[in-house]
Amino acid sequence: EIVLTQSPGTLSLSPGERAALSCRASQSVSSGYLAWYQQKPGQAPRLLIYGASNRDTGIPDRFSGSGSGTDFTLTISRLEPEDFAMYYCQHYRPSSITFGQGTRLDIK
Amino acid sequence: EVQLVESGGGLVQPGRSLRLSCAASGFSFSGDEMNWVRQAPGKGLEWVSYISAGGSTIYSADSVKGRFTISRDNARNSLYLQMNSLRVEDTAIYYCTRRFDYWGQGTLVTVSS
Repeated sequence: EIVLTQSPGTLSLSPGERAALSCRASQSVSSGYLAWYQQKPGQAPRLLIYGASNRDTGIPDRFSGSGSGTDFTLTISRLEPEDFAMYYCQHYRPSSITFGQGTRLDIK
Repeated sequence: EVQLVESGGGLVQPGRSLRLSCAASGFSFSGDEMNWVRQAPGKGLEWVSYISAGGSTIYSADSVKGRFTISRDNARNSLYLQMNSLRVEDTAIYYCTRRFDYWGQGTLVTVSS
């Protein structure tokens, strides 16, 4: 099973700043199977990025994904108030689906 | 509009069974693989089980293997999760999701004596 480790656990930033969230895999994964989600309290997760770097429909272009192999990054270029939430990365080959433990993005 | 509506959650004693349902609409259900994902209170996301579009391929997390069974009825546009031998640690919100791009609102399962 592939283990995904996200860092930092909590990131405190101000609106307008740039956020970089890391996701490290325990072994090399295909970029095609790496996704990022946003979750706000009381809501279901929302798909942001699939295939490591492809934004899902309707996702603002301030969200971008990058990386390969074992190291992946979700970048939010300029934080908006609605971006403060939990973020999860995921590896999603059907026979092996795992989530990272999450990064909490807090308002500083 | 894609909609996924879970039902069947509730309070159940350890060792008992529960069956969750997910009613799908707004897309070609029979053409899409589906998953169940759960989230314990205050915790992260945990994948539970996967089923292919036709239902012939199923995968489950080790934590539920042998106790939970995913199934689907494409004629009824419905996804199911049969949960047997429930444990306290199965307490969570259970989400159904279409290929992880659309998610239901979740149904809460509480396992407690």
